[in-house]
Parts: sequence; structure tokens; C-alpha cells
Amino acid sequence: DVKVTQSSRYLVKRTGEKVFLECVQDMDHENMFWYRQDPGLGLRLIYFSYDVKMKEKGDIPEGYSVSREKKERFSLILESASTNQTSMYLCASSLDADEQYFGPGTRLTVT
Amino acid sequence: KQEVTQIPAALSVPEGENLVLNCSFTDSAIYNLQWFRQDPGKGLTSLLLIQSSQREQTSGRLNASLDKSSGRSTLYIAASQPGDSATYLCAPREEDGTASKLTFGTGTRLQVTL
Repeated sequence: DVKVTQSSRYLVKRTGEKVFLECVQDMDHENMFWYRQDPGLGLRLIYFSYDVKMKEKGDIPEGYSVSREKKERFSLILESASTNQTSMYLCASSLDADEQYFGPGTRLTVT
Repeated sequence: KQEVTQIPAALSVPEGENLVLNCSFTDSAIYNLQWFRQDPGKGLTSLLLIQSSQREQTSGRLNASLDKSSGRSTLYIAASQPGDSATYLCAPREEDGTASKLTFGTGTRLQVTL
């Protein structure tokens, strides 16, 4: 079974802090994704990566950056957290255009 | 830009009923479509992946159909159970040649009552 893990289930940070969200997959998938999910807005794609050191902007990349130094790990970085980045963050991975598999999510609160 | 609509937004049915969840999308140039379920506060669980060349895909009590040309997909759940209570999301995948980008609807929240 594919396993996608995220470093934290719940996280509370202060405005202005630098925040790292980590995602690891164990199935050698080329593609990895970061989404955020907000009530009434659904899931929105922040960034994705189709190979090591490659990244592409999704629909809402502002205020975020990503890093993919190893194939199995994809990090989402909030350079200076703001209250409007309070959300549920979901990581996913896939092989080619096959099924996307999701992690359990990280609920981030920025105060 | 792809837009995905799911109707109804919420549904409550008694246990044992068969039900249909609807998904429509504006851009029919899709590669495939994936259905997910999400339990409260959790991640997404993949239910079915239906390719653009397929009309139907089945897994247990679940059956997904796809009419690509009309931009519609349905998820049929047979003999519903309380454990089926969750939010169901559909997500068509773009036919753009790069990493497989999905566009999500806002989901149908299903409650199956005893």
C-alpha cells in the first residue's frame, strides 16, 4: 500500500514565523503535490513537483515556497506565516497520471 | 479554467438506500477522473479512478460512470451503510502532459442514518 506521511497533524505558529511542513512518500512516485483546504473553497493546489529539484506553481502559490531535494520528500515552506494561512494542508503523490494518494493532513493555525 | 460542481452539497439517507452523487465539469478535455472520500478532519481516500476511455468503473458497492463529452460523472453507492457517512469529492485530471493536476469540487456531504 502507498503511504504518504506528513510531519505533524496539528501545528500552531505565530504570525511572522517561518513554517516547514514535511511530506514523505514511500512508493517512488515522481509527482508530489501540496494543497490547502478551506471550508466553502475546497482543495486548491499550491505547488507541485514532477521530479527532484523541479517545481511548478499551482493555483495559489503566493506566500509559499517548496523544496524537493530527494524524490520521496516534498516540503512546503511558509516564509512568514500570516493568519490567512490558517488552513488544512494536504500532501499527495502519484505515479504519472495515475491515482493521487493523500497524506492525513496538517491542520495549521497561525495566531 | 476547469470548474467542478457537485450536487447535492449535502444528503441524508436511511441505511440501505441506493444513492447517486453527481459531478459536473466544464472542460471535457480530461485524462481521467478520480473519486475520493474524506472523513472529518482527515485526508482523502481514493475510491475509484475512471479513465477517459472508460464509461464505468466498479469497486464493491461503488460504481462510477463517466460521460466525458457532456462533462458529467456519477458515483452510485448501493445499499448504503452508516460507515459510508463522509464527504465525497470528484476530481477530473487535466490532459496537459505535465504532472497530473486535479481540480476538485467542494464535495457532497453524505450522512447515512440508522
